[in-house]
Amino acid sequence: DTEVTQTPKHLVMGMTNKKSLKCEQHMGHRAMYWYKQKAKKPPELMFVYSYEKLSINESVPSRFSPECPNSSLLNLHLHALQPEDSALYLCASSQDRGGVETQYFGPGTRLLVL
Amino acid sequence: GQNIDQPTEMTATEGAIVQINCTYQTSGFNGLFWYQQHAGEAPTFLSYNVLDGLEEKGRFSSFLSRSKGYSYLLLKELQMKDSASYLCAVRDSNYQLIWGAGTKLIIKP
Repeated sequence: DTEVTQTPKHLVMGMTNKKSLKCEQHMGHRAMYWYKQKAKKPPELMFVYSYEKLSINESVPSRFSPECPNSSLLNLHLHALQPEDSALYLCASSQDRGGVETQYFGPGTRLLVL
Repeated sequence: GQNIDQPTEMTATEGAIVQINCTYQTSGFNGLFWYQQHAGEAPTFLSYNVLDGLEEKGRFSSFLSRSKGYSYLLLKELQMKDSASYLCAVRDSNYQLIWGAGTKLIIKP
């Protein structure tokens, strides 16, 4: 089973709203990732959690706040977003950050900020 | 700086063979990945190379030459469902994935 699930699939929010994206995996993976992808562009890494601790924050604005409640769950809290934040948000997981582990992606949440 | 180059778009005919090239310059190398991404969907893992040579998986094969900073993805017996973007990604010395911009593959009947 190489499934990563994400909810919701689609989200429309205003610039003053607060919302959360959720990601879940039950493969026993210890590394989880948030990516942002704009149309016709490759994924851009936002955050990496390794063993439930934030190990990489790629200079992401504070209006994006990640949270890893346990080894299977990863959240991305959104507040005061801008229209340019509209994108496909992808969650991925891998056995670990290093070694030969492959990242497996969830289906993504398509976010539209109005 | 880190750079991964792959063609923007390629066109091929159903049933034929196509080779998608990827060249890279990264700070360190810990493996090269190919992902397939259909429009509006998440990337799905296709192949992984860390040693020189060819890895074959059914209709898909991937080749790596570390000395040349070069890889290719070979797709045989093309099917219409193979129309997608193909992303080359290299894991650098910090184990971060550096992504190419992707190659959009169009399959014609």
